[in-house]
Amino acid sequence: GAVVSQHPSRVICKSGTSVKIECRSLDFQATTMFWYRQFPKQSLMLMATSNEGSKATYEQGVEKDKFLINHASLTLSTLTVTSAHPEDSSFYICSATRWDRAVDSPLHFGNGTRLTVT
Amino acid sequence: AQTVTQSQPEMSVQEAETVTLSCTYDTSESDYYLFWYKQPPSRQMILVIRQEAYKQQNATENRFSVNFQKAAKSFSLKISDSQLGDAAMYFCAYRSFYRDDKIIFGKGTRLHILP
Repeated sequence: GAVVSQHPSRVICKSGTSVKIECRSLDFQATTMFWYRQFPKQSLMLMATSNEGSKATYEQGVEKDKFLINHASLTLSTLTVTSAHPEDSSFYICSATRWDRAVDSPLHFGNGTRLTVT
Repeated sequence: AQTVTQSQPEMSVQEAETVTLSCTYDTSESDYYLFWYKQPPSRQMILVIRQEAYKQQNATENRFSVNFQKAAKSFSLKISDSQLGDAAMYFCAYRSFYRDDKIIFGKGTRLHILP
């Protein structure tokens, strides 16, 4: 089945630094990737939708300048948390889909990244 | 805007018994998909079952089945013969039929399996 690889799985960084999280679709070309954030014991909150070759669409309340999303190719999207602060500590999950497989394979998730900002 | 509501934050079931998780949703669309995802402690999101709104027949996957009531906008998940490995967070989710649309998740139900 389709696989989405997310890296790193865990990262600890100091306040004020930037962190990049990668999301790769390994065996299919993802026309769209989604980035979610999950707080402990809560649901997944969509942060942004990224389509290959175009600017990401951010959900209301998500700071575009803080959470930079790049979808440069059909197999790679990156989320960069800029000038990280302790309140950015969370679990970030990416997911990917390809339209012509949307019915059979609606969405594939990465394993997530636990970000801790000290 | 679409919404997904799971009214049971936690549930418990005895091993080998049957449990039903509730989900309701709100939408003005006629074509859409509904999903149940499982998130075990590993945090990996696992697709349990999928239902296309245009299909009247309820989806089933081995021990997992749904009761899809389109008019009532209800989409419950039944787990039969519960196993210890079923313990997890379960999220009900909605996705528009249209291209590349996002999935909207409910708040989740934590399922405990009692040995």
